[in-house]
Amino acid sequence: EAGVAQSPRYKIIEKRQSVAFWCNPISGHATLYWYQQILGQGPKLLIQFQNNGVVDDSQLPKDRFSAERLKGVDSTLKIQPAKLEDSAVYLCASSSGRGPGNTIYFGEGSWLTVV
Amino acid sequence: LAKTTQPISMDSYEGQEVNITCSHNNIATNDYITWYQQFPSQGPRFIIQGYKTKVTNEVASLFIPADRKSSTLSLPRVSLSDTAVYYCLVGYYGQNFVFGPGTRLSVLP
Repeated sequence: EAGVAQSPRYKIIEKRQSVAFWCNPISGHATLYWYQQILGQGPKLLIQFQNNGVVDDSQLPKDRFSAERLKGVDSTLKIQPAKLEDSAVYLCASSSGRGPGNTIYFGEGSWLTVV
Repeated sequence: LAKTTQPISMDSYEGQEVNITCSHNNIATNDYITWYQQFPSQGPRFIIQGYKTKVTNEVASLFIPADRKSSTLSLPRVSLSDTAVYYCLVGYYGQNFVFGPGTRLSVLP
């Protein structure tokens, strides 16, 4: 079974520029998550989708971050304009959403450095 | 969402058994306990999940007492490649996991 695919793997941009990350979840997984992980910390949820609807985006800085999941499959996370503090790993994850337990599968992450 | 508490770091030697205990005092009835492992430059990887008593797979064992307010991840005979950060999480299907800083395990030769 193919895992969660993310691209690009690494990206370096200057502050105030824009960047976009792409995610393809595990086939059939209805729930998709974007997490931000700053070095030395645990991942923090940015946004959670159920199919193509947003379940939770309370921690998404909406003045600069946006995300969409068209057709309930692939997803794109965009940052515009980027700030230095956005330097982090952006992890995409997915789950079937069917219980009883909750197993979330993570991609390898997209590393962003803002200079 | 239940909050978990686990040690920030642990050291062990190759070949030893490592037990990492996690506290989750306000775990809900429907919550499962899940452990993840994360290596540098990689996303977290699912290790094991359980609801009560004991669960064992090819990688680890998970011990959960009757009151479910804590759990212990047991890694048998660790090797250098087990050096990683381990996260304890609680939740039920469809929920988001709230990650803490995890336990940084260092396995020494």
